[in-house]
Amino acid sequence: DIQMTQSPSSVSASVGDRLNITCRASQGISRWLAWYQQKPGKAPKLLIYAASSLQSGVPSRFSGSGSGTDFSLTISSLQPEDFATYYCQQADSFPFTFGPGTKVDIK
Amino acid sequence: EVQLVESGGGLVQPGRSLRLSCAASGFNFDNYAMHWVRQAPGKGLEWVSGISWKSGSMGYADSVKGRFTISRDNAKNSLYLQMNSLRAEDTALYYCAKDKGWQLVRSGGLDVWGQGTTVTVSS
Repeated sequence: DIQMTQSPSSVSASVGDRLNITCRASQGISRWLAWYQQKPGKAPKLLIYAASSLQSGVPSRFSGSGSGTDFSLTISSLQPEDFATYYCQQADSFPFTFGPGTKVDIK
Repeated sequence: EVQLVESGGGLVQPGRSLRLSCAASGFNFDNYAMHWVRQAPGKGLEWVSGISWKSGSMGYADSVKGRFTISRDNAKNSLYLQMNSLRAEDTALYYCAKDKGWQLVRSGGLDVWGQGTTVTVSS
């Protein structure tokens, strides 16, 4: 099975900060990676698919990059509504796997 | 409005069975792969199972393989998860989610989610 790791596991940041979250796959997954945002008590929301494609309706301050085993999610300027937990997920092969999550909270 | 509504959760004893349902509306259900994802209390997301648009391909997490069965009825715009031999570690909020594509692997991620149904396995 493909294992997904994320770093950092948590981060404190301020409104306006630029934030990078990294995700690493235990083997190559080409560009079959998605990023999700989840707020407490809510279902996850798709932000990025195919490593770098912005999901419709998602603000352009979110961007994704990477291929193979190393990926990143960047938020160019954190907004108050961006404080949440972020997960990566590989969709290259069964079983699909999510990363452990990165919690972003307010400094 | 695109919508997924899960049902069928509840309290069940270890070893017993439960069947979850997901009713889809607002999109052409039979054009897309579908998935179940769960989240244990206070934990992260765990992909459970997925099924392609015409049920030709299915996949399961190792933790549920041989105990859970995914199915769909495109005529009824519905997705199901039959859960047998339930264990305490199956306790979670179970989400139904729509894939961006029709095939099960190498597609675009899960773009529509329901609000989930809670399964509690306890004696």
